[in-house]
Amino acid sequence: EAQVTQNPRYLITVTGKKLTVTCSQNMNHEYMSWYRQDPGLGLRQIYYSMNVEVTDKGDVPEGYKVSRKEKRNFPLILESPSPNQTSLYFCASSSRADTQYFGPGTRLTVL
Amino acid sequence: QQQVKQSPQSLIVQKGGISIINCAYENTAFDYFPWYQQFPGKGPALLIAIRPDVSEKKEGRFTISFNKSAKQFSLHIMDSQPGDSATYFCAASYMGTYKYIFGTGTRLKVLA
Repeated sequence: EAQVTQNPRYLITVTGKKLTVTCSQNMNHEYMSWYRQDPGLGLRQIYYSMNVEVTDKGDVPEGYKVSRKEKRNFPLILESPSPNQTSLYFCASSSRADTQYFGPGTRLTVL
Repeated sequence: QQQVKQSPQSLIVQKGGISIINCAYENTAFDYFPWYQQFPGKGPALLIAIRPDVSEKKEGRFTISFNKSAKQFSLHIMDSQPGDSATYFCAASYMGTYKYIFGTGTRLKVLA
């Protein structure tokens, strides 16, 4: 089954404790992206990648890191999480820069 | 110039009615305008999309109207059904990139 998977689905952590949210797709897509969703703000793009080793900033990259070492994986790294990074995070992938397939989301709470 | 403004924030429609959601953008470099549908607890899913070389695109009960001169586009849901109750997001993107700007979302409720 073609899908985008994210792990973990739920995470509660404390300020400053480094964490990684994994994203994997099995559709051989070149493009991958991370978004955060907050009430009243919609979806905001954090980082995106147009191919292996090619990444670029979205609208809200501060406090986040990404890497794209393999085509199928695009992990999101929070080196020192803060409470304002409490949010619902979505990974997405696309074979071209149009139809995006979203993962199920990761709900992160930073205390 | 990066914003995509979406309205209304919420919408209640009777079954069988027409739901209309509007979006406006500023940056004329945008050349791809998708609409996404999101059900509670799920990720967004592409519903329908349009490029600025056409003024309208229809897929089943869903239609996008695009007004390039006004820099506006809208989603029309004909014969709205309770199963259409979801949050809808408009978005805009640039040619050759994977950079997306999303609207703030519209929560649609269709009454049975």
